[in-house]
Amino acid sequence: GAGVSQSPRYKVAKRGQDVALRCDPISGHVSLFWYQQALGQGPEFLTYFQNEAQLDKSGLPSDRFFAERPEGSVSTLKIQRTQQEDSAVYLCASSLSTDTQYFGPGTRLTVL
Amino acid sequence: AQSVTQPDIHITVSEGASLELRCNYSYGATPYLFWYVQSPGQGLQLLLKYFSGDTLVQGIKGFEAEFKRSQSSFNLRKPSVHWSDAAEYFCAVNTGFQKLVFGTGTRLLVSP
Repeated sequence: GAGVSQSPRYKVAKRGQDVALRCDPISGHVSLFWYQQALGQGPEFLTYFQNEAQLDKSGLPSDRFFAERPEGSVSTLKIQRTQQEDSAVYLCASSLSTDTQYFGPGTRLTVL
Repeated sequence: AQSVTQPDIHITVSEGASLELRCNYSYGATPYLFWYVQSPGQGLQLLLKYFSGDTLVQGIKGFEAEFKRSQSSFNLRKPSVHWSDAAEYFCAVNTGFQKLVFGTGTRLLVSP
């Protein structure tokens, strides 16, 4: 079956622009996660949804980062007024319950 | 706070030789443990996981890992490495708060 998909795969933004990153989880997966992976590092947790409820947003680095999942399926991660330090790969994962997470291919964001 | 240590940043192994990648975690109880692999430009693929029971777990692509409670370790092994195994390997733990905590990764290089 189809895995987790993310779009766009690559995004270049000028500093100060707003960006929106999309994640389509595996059908039927209740939980959805966002991670940020800086170059040469492991992924770091940003936020977690169970259905449409955002249960944990402790990893969001600033109030410029905002995530939503209004209908409990597709999720969007929005970054306002992008900064160079936001350059990273943004990974989305979904899981049927809360144990095994399946990852998408990621969106590579480059802020110039 | 929970943490994961992968002490080897890079490892080079000859094709056909055996492989062991180290992972140590810091957590008071037994967490859920995972190994993921990431090829260049790709997302994370689950290799194997440990939740409970038999401490030696088998995964995909001929990989296995052994959980050792006394050493807080979950090392990944493969008896004979193939050139296609060259990638970045991440150890991760889930301590029950849903999010995964990752190590910094080990890059595996396979020499002919």
